[in-house]
Amino acid sequence: QIQLVQSGGEVGKPGASVKISCKASGYTFTTYGMSWVRQAPGQGLEWMGWISGYNDKKNYAERVQDRLTLTTDTTTNTAYMELRSLRFDDTAVYYCARDRGGGYDILDYWGQGTLVTVSS
Amino acid sequence: DIQMTQSPSFLSASVGDRVTITCRASQDIRNDLGWYQQKPGKAPKRLIYAASSLESGVPSRFSGSRSGTEFTLTISSLQPEDFATYYCLQHWLYPRTFGQGTKVEIK
Repeated sequence: QIQLVQSGGEVGKPGASVKISCKASGYTFTTYGMSWVRQAPGQGLEWMGWISGYNDKKNYAERVQDRLTLTTDTTTNTAYMELRSLRFDDTAVYYCARDRGGGYDILDYWGQGTLVTVSS
Repeated sequence: DIQMTQSPSFLSASVGDRVTITCRASQDIRNDLGWYQQKPGKAPKRLIYAASSLESGVPSRFSGSRSGTEFTLTISSLQPEDFATYYCLQHWLYPRTFGQGTKVEIK
């Protein structure tokens, strides 16, 4: 079965960086990309960016594009999200979600979420 | 960016009620819309893709439709397990954008 398993919660200080992993299984990793979505406490869903699973093509939301880096490791079927220069309003649950980039296999499977807390 | 205007933000309903949630896109997005259900502390779960196609395993009381740039999620007979927050998502253009969410609560 298709699974996306994310790394555990993180605590970071303002100005620091955080890197979250998302390990995929149950499908051909390079056939799909990965989107990242976050949800601040009590708020809605915010799409952050997408990375292809095979050619390193990326697309970032304007709001975070200067601080966000998405990468993949096709040898371990793992996607990574790094957010730099953390701010208090980056406190949120971060999700990875499978995303083919086109068609309808878009955010069809999700990771369990990773809580990132920004605190001084 | 494409704006997705979702309404209502909050909905109070009883078990057995018919419930309708709407998302309006700021421009044509063809059928590139999905509906998601999220329960507290859980990841979202996709219910509908391509505006009106039911995800495998999702009960048939859920349905989606499209009229131009207006998209509707209907729950024909609300069940206790349906009390949750629902979101639409457009994926016609980047950035992908979600509606603001509709919280469905028990009356």
